[in-house]
Amino acid sequence: QVQLQESGPGLVKPSQTLSLTCTVSGGSISSGSYYWSWIRQPAGKGLEWIGRIYTSGSTNYNPSLKSRVTISVDTSKNQFSLKLSSVTAADTAVYYCARAGTWGLYYFDYWGQGTLVTVSS
Amino acid sequence: QSALTQPASVSGSPGQSITISCTGTSSDVGGYNYVSWYQQHPGKAPKLMIYEVSNRPSGVSNRFSGSKSGNTASLTISGLQAEDEADYYCSSYTSSSSIQFGGGTKLTVL
Repeated sequence: QVQLQESGPGLVKPSQTLSLTCTVSGGSISSGSYYWSWIRQPAGKGLEWIGRIYTSGSTNYNPSLKSRVTISVDTSKNQFSLKLSSVTAADTAVYYCARAGTWGLYYFDYWGQGTLVTVSS
Repeated sequence: QSALTQPASVSGSPGQSITISCTGTSSDVGGYNYVSWYQQHPGKAPKLMIYEVSNRPSGVSNRFSGSKSGNTASLTISGLQAEDEADYYCSSYTSSSSIQFGGGTKLTVL
């Protein structure tokens, strides 16, 4: 059973870079054909897809966030990571990592529990 | 890119059927059959309920069904149960090679 777990600072100062890591267990991040994504949800609001990285290392990003986002993978640690630069209070949200692939490359079948990141000085 | 349009809330009584709509454009919902639906209970991660417009992952009740016509996708839940009370989100692949979610619909079981 694949499991995903987000980790990283819960508090980030405005203008700094938000960094989160998703650790994958129960399977290799580099095997199979999967997309590994980051998705966020501000309190009381809807889901927003941030971006994804394919098993091969290729990436796609939300056009509205593309200039500030970098997603990378570390196969040796079975992890993938998110960096979001120049954060503001609007970036405060629960951040989820998720996997797509079992039912197709556009559908998220495994999710982490989510981690709250607050942007505040 | 704008969020797909969903009604803010819907409600129904146990045993009834409800339908949640998800309206996009020809650049997302209308252009691809890559529409999915997620159920989210408070404080929990979303759960995939429908993929590729109308397919159910294994383990999802057949009370959940999906369809699409033009730029609008729909999720229908039949035989409403108390446990169905949750937020529901649609999602679509887009012409920008990205994934777009709907704004979410709160389902209340009366």
